[in-house]
Amino acid sequence: DAGVTQSPTHLIKTRGQQVTLRCSPKSGHDTVSWYQQALGQGPQFIFQYYEEEERQRGNFPDRFSGHQFPNYSSELNVNALLLGDSALYLCASSLGGGRETQYFGPGTRLLVL
Amino acid sequence: AQSVTQPDIHITVSEGASLELRCNYSYGATPYLFWYVQSPGQGLQLLLKYFSGDTLVQGIKGFEAEFKRSQSSFNLRKPSVHWSDAAEYFCAVGAYGGSQGNLIFGKGTKLSVKP
Repeated sequence: DAGVTQSPTHLIKTRGQQVTLRCSPKSGHDTVSWYQQALGQGPQFIFQYYEEEERQRGNFPDRFSGHQFPNYSSELNVNALLLGDSALYLCASSLGGGRETQYFGPGTRLLVL
Repeated sequence: AQSVTQPDIHITVSEGASLELRCNYSYGATPYLFWYVQSPGQGLQLLLKYFSGDTLVQGIKGFEAEFKRSQSSFNLRKPSVHWSDAAEYFCAVGAYGGSQGNLIFGKGTKLSVKP
């Protein structure tokens, strides 16, 4: 049973560029949540997708957007990258909208220069 | 506002010694509580969770945690630490409304293990 997978594992971008990160949920899960973990901090909730819609959003600007596909996989897009966007981006999957336990992927490490 | 506080940024224990990592939460309703562990460069692995019922919950790798409502705490314990337990530990509370939910994390406690 495959767990949560994310791609790419590492990414280097320059300020002003755009980036897309990808996540495949654990088998049987239909909900995907994205978190940003800055160095030395705990993860912070970005948004959550369920039934192909953004259902909840944390305190992140509109530069952060996402999508969920019919197979429940998800993308996180960040436009106009800032140096402060450098972080580990974690995807978590769960069942039924987020009340159930969330299982995390290994993350994508983004460095913005 | 909902929040999680982990008062200890860094703890060092000797291998074989007991461990207690502290977690305090602020949440208006009955909390759903979690402990996750993160090894360097890795994602988060769930150690244990509390949803309801018995306030002492058992997790993987010999960890346990006790929910104390009166103290708003959910401390993680292990009777005998192994060198492989060195990692960062995060406490989280589930912020749930209706059928939706997300996690609010503490800033983490880094555990070092002395041989």
